[in-house]
Amino acid sequence: QKEVEQNSGPLSVPEGAIASLNCTYSDRGSQSFFWYRQYSGKSPELIMSIYSNGDKEDGRFTAQLNKASQYVSLLIRDSQPSDSATYLCAVNVGGSSNTGKLIFGQGTTLQVKP
Amino acid sequence: DADVTQTPRNRITKTGKRIMLECSQTKGHDRMYWYRQDPGLGLRLIYYSFDVKDINKGEISDGYSVSRQAQAKFSLSLESAIPNQTALYFCATGITWGYTDTQYFGPGTRLTVL
Repeated sequence: QKEVEQNSGPLSVPEGAIASLNCTYSDRGSQSFFWYRQYSGKSPELIMSIYSNGDKEDGRFTAQLNKASQYVSLLIRDSQPSDSATYLCAVNVGGSSNTGKLIFGQGTTLQVKP
Repeated sequence: DADVTQTPRNRITKTGKRIMLECSQTKGHDRMYWYRQDPGLGLRLIYYSFDVKDINKGEISDGYSVSRQAQAKFSLSLESAIPNQTALYFCATGITWGYTDTQYFGPGTRLTVL
């Protein structure tokens, strides 16, 4: 069983719509969750981090965390063609022991169509 | 100037050759990481270092070695390259907050082993 799972997509949404990206994880002790955006051929870029249950908003991005369900999501409002990329979910391992290690999902490819 | 730099950016080599990939950072972070990325397999951790004297194996360290020459420099070596080491390699730095690190990635090195 994969430790961090994402639907590989592609997820296709029209410009201006809300894109919803989902991630589940297996380590119940995980405390920190991250979303990275990766354009084709480029390096991952950190866009959101979340540590507590609930929602965290940053501009057009909202991260949602539900530790009981082991589920983290990323909502992108007013999607733009420039949001077309692969979105990687990353989860820390080791719980309260800071191992410094992240496990990454395979990523979801988002396509925003004009 | 970029905070995390990797050299070379692209490299083509032959089976059996020794290859070194270099990473330098100006972020002042103590923690550094090497990942490889393969299509369909996501990012996988090769080695990580919490400081100059602390180096740890990741999930796929076989066939690789590392050297942490200074806080700012972390090199990855392939002692005898083989074709299945063809991949995109990323260096990352990490800053500790609470239970985990927030990681920032370099631009990547595309390595092809013929």
